[in-house]
Amino acid sequence: GAVVSQHPSRVICKSGTSVKIECRSLDFQATTMFWYRQFPKQSLMLMATSNEGSKATYEQGVEKDKFLINHASLTLSTLTVTSAHPEDSSFYICSAIGQGMNTEAFFGQGTRLTVV
Amino acid sequence: AQSVAQPEDQVNVAEGNPLTVKCTYSVSGNPYLFWYVQYPNRGLQFLLKYITGDNLVKGSYGFEAEFNKSQTSFHLKKPSALVSDSALYFCAATSGTYKYIFGTGTRLKVLA
Repeated sequence: GAVVSQHPSRVICKSGTSVKIECRSLDFQATTMFWYRQFPKQSLMLMATSNEGSKATYEQGVEKDKFLINHASLTLSTLTVTSAHPEDSSFYICSAIGQGMNTEAFFGQGTRLTVV
Repeated sequence: AQSVAQPEDQVNVAEGNPLTVKCTYSVSGNPYLFWYVQYPNRGLQFLLKYITGDNLVKGSYGFEAEFNKSQTSFHLKKPSALVSDSALYFCAATSGTYKYIFGTGTRLKVLA
């Protein structure tokens, strides 16, 4: 099956700094990528949808200036958490779909962000 | 609003016994339905999906799920549980847009 890889798998950063999470499709071209956030013991909440070469579409309540999403190529999307605060600590997961993949998206392994 | 419900936060089952993890959905049209499993600090692992056709779907690791349109349910089942099946299970649905609507997850605990 198609493989989506996230990096890093876990990161610790200081309050006020920014951190970038990468999501790569390894063996297919991802026309659309999705970013989710998962709070402890809760479900995954969609944050934004990004199409290659265009601006991301954010879900209601998600601060676009805080969570910067870039999808500059067909194999890479990045999520940058800017001026991170402890409440941004969470598990972030991306998923991707490609052309011809008309039944499911493929998920990355997730990134555990801890802001101290 | 479209939603997926997993009514049980946790399911406990003895090893070797059959297990069922429940899922109901409220999604317009003919949704695609999925089950994923998540181990601690890991991403989602795909188990199975229903798109169309046979209501009984067989997936990875001996899991299967039954689609019931009249009850809008998609319960996950396994005939004989293993301790290694203990994990967090998510049901999800899409209406064809690839925006997954996830349930709240059910923690499965298989007791030795």
